[in-house]
Amino acid sequence: DAKTTQPTSMDCAEGRAANLPCNHSTISGNEYVYWYRQIHSQGPQYIIHGLKNNETNEMASLIITEDRKSSTLILPHATLRDTAVYYCIVRVNAGNMLTFGGGTRLMVKP
Amino acid sequence: DSGVTQTPKHLITATGQRVTLRCSPRSGDLSVYWYQQSLDQGLQFLIQYYNGEERAKGNILERFSAQQFPDLHSELNLSSLELGDSALYFCASSVSPDRFATNEKLFFGSGTQLSVL
Repeated sequence: DAKTTQPTSMDCAEGRAANLPCNHSTISGNEYVYWYRQIHSQGPQYIIHGLKNNETNEMASLIITEDRKSSTLILPHATLRDTAVYYCIVRVNAGNMLTFGGGTRLMVKP
Repeated sequence: DSGVTQTPKHLITATGQRVTLRCSPRSGDLSVYWYQQSLDQGLQFLIQYYNGEERAKGNILERFSAQQFPDLHSELNLSSLELGDSALYFCASSVSPDRFATNEKLFFGSGTQLSVL
């Protein structure tokens, strides 16, 4: 699996967009980018994933650069309930186990 | 609610003992995964089962074993427990329409908190 680099922590004001970056410069052509989050010792929760194109769902948007070496998860209107550790994961499209790194601890503040 | 059920939620035991953690996957999911989360190691993949067979192995100790039963529920057995085994143990499941299914979402249970005293 390609390694990912994420900032250790970030703050965001409630109601503003939270933009969480992830670098994956060694990503290969068949590797997907996945985002999960973990709210205070709960089980990790799937957010979104993509291969090349930008993706959007009811939770977030995923922007992947054209060279695929980095991506950004966007929470359009962060709430206090979005305070969590966000994991960016890149894995080969074979087998489904996830390799979690350290993630970004997002603190949404009033 | 992810639909993945783990029991018990909390388990307190002594060193040297053996415990069994249970996981019921979402209805229809064929793959089950086990993860360990400790304070110093983060989330570590232990093992995956697909439709009753071992599919992938991660950093699972020899003292640990798992199985998936015909009804697709899974059990993680931890033996000769040590203080360092204290951790949150998560189970996850995915649909896996066939053995080589990829590009899937994993759904995690709420975990079992194991405390070894």
